[in-house]
Amino acid sequence: QVQLVQSEAEVKEPGSSVRVSCKTSGDTFSSYSITWVRQGPGQGLEWMGGIVPIFDTTNYAQRFQDRVTITADSSTGTVSLEVRRLTSEDTAVYYCARAPRYGGGWFDPWGQGTLVTVSS
Amino acid sequence: SYFLTQPHSVSVAPGKTAMITCGGNNIGSKSVHWYQQTPGQAPVLVIYHDSERPSGIPERFSGSNSGHTAILTISRVEAGDEADYYCHLWDTTTDHYVFGPGTKVTVL
Repeated sequence: QVQLVQSEAEVKEPGSSVRVSCKTSGDTFSSYSITWVRQGPGQGLEWMGGIVPIFDTTNYAQRFQDRVTITADSSTGTVSLEVRRLTSEDTAVYYCARAPRYGGGWFDPWGQGTLVTVSS
Repeated sequence: SYFLTQPHSVSVAPGKTAMITCGGNNIGSKSVHWYQQTPGQAPVLVIYHDSERPSGIPERFSGSNSGHTAILTISRVEAGDEADYYCHLWDTTTDHYVFGPGTKVTVL
């Protein structure tokens, strides 16, 4: 069974950066894309962007274009999300999920989520 | 950008049918997916490609999509169905994914 295992919770100060990782299994890294979705406290789901690891191509939501970087490490089967210039508005649970390689389609499965708290 | 609308909440008695709508411009021409999320848990896919059910999802969950509205139907609702439900699709105009705002289903 395919699993996505995410890194542990983080507490960061405003203005700093955070990196969240997502360890894949099976053929996920070679046959699918990995996408990132975040959920603020009491809020809905917000798509941030994704990567096709085998091609190392990325696609970002407009509002995160200049502040987010998604990378893939083929040696470990791990995808990472970096968010820079953090503010309190970035306090959220960040999820990775498997998605089709060529865009479109559904997200399944999801990682367990990583809580990022931005606070001074 | 493509926007999706969902009712904020839906209440339903046990054993009855809940219908959750997802509105969007000509959404019937797109492929819509649905997720269930219980408090503190990651979302779970319950319907994909408008009406397909992943393995392990009860037959009580069904979906349809036509015109400007996609619908997730939960038949014979159980207490365990109480959750937030999100619709989701790929916007081919922007090549971006879009989520609906979510609907909280309360079982009375």
